[in-house]
Amino acid sequence: AQSVSQHNHHVILSEAASLELGCNYSYGGTVNLFWYVQYPGQHLQLLLKYFSGDPLVKGIKGFEAEFIKSKFSFNLRKPSVQWSDTAEYFCAVNGHNAGKSTFGDGTTLTVKP
Amino acid sequence: GAGVSQSPRYKVAKRGQDVALRCDPISGHVSLFWYQQALGQGPEFLTYFQNEAQLDKSGLPSDRFFAERPEGSVSTLKIQRTQQEDSAVYLCASSPRPIYEQYFGPGTRLTVT
Repeated sequence: AQSVSQHNHHVILSEAASLELGCNYSYGGTVNLFWYVQYPGQHLQLLLKYFSGDPLVKGIKGFEAEFIKSKFSFNLRKPSVQWSDTAEYFCAVNGHNAGKSTFGDGTTLTVKP
Repeated sequence: GAGVSQSPRYKVAKRGQDVALRCDPISGHVSLFWYQQALGQGPEFLTYFQNEAQLDKSGLPSDRFFAERPEGSVSTLKIQRTQQEDSAVYLCASSPRPIYEQYFGPGTRLTVT
């Protein structure tokens, strides 16, 4: 069965600090990987995705993530966070031929101004 | 364009009542997913439709849960004889193709008293 583990439940940073959120997955096959974000009072929305090709993917608002196949990881990074990045972040995985996605439990990021 | 909409946004049901939750996906999206999100956790897969066909219902927790999408657009998730453990946010998502990123609705928060 597939599973996703997000190591940090709550991260608190000051503005301009660098961010890295961990995501590890377990899945017996080729995967598609996603990071979704939920800003306060808003819907879940896509931040970035990896299907194939360059393992370093760039998303919206300066976020990027690196797929390391050997480590089953897809960590999210941002060099300098802003107060507006305060949100909950979810890592998700699905198989190449499977529709459903498996989500991690999320990481709440609080950025102090 | 219009996103995924869900109704009602909030539902309070007495234990034992039946409820019906509606999802209007983005027009033209082939795939539709239902997830259940408990407090402090990530979305958990319930079921998946491709057009009107329910291809995966492995996540439905019991036979009290039933979903349909009769014309391949609007979907309804029905929960019979609600129990307190059914209290959660029910998320609907749609996607233009099965393995693509998913577009989420605002969710229906169900509280069973």
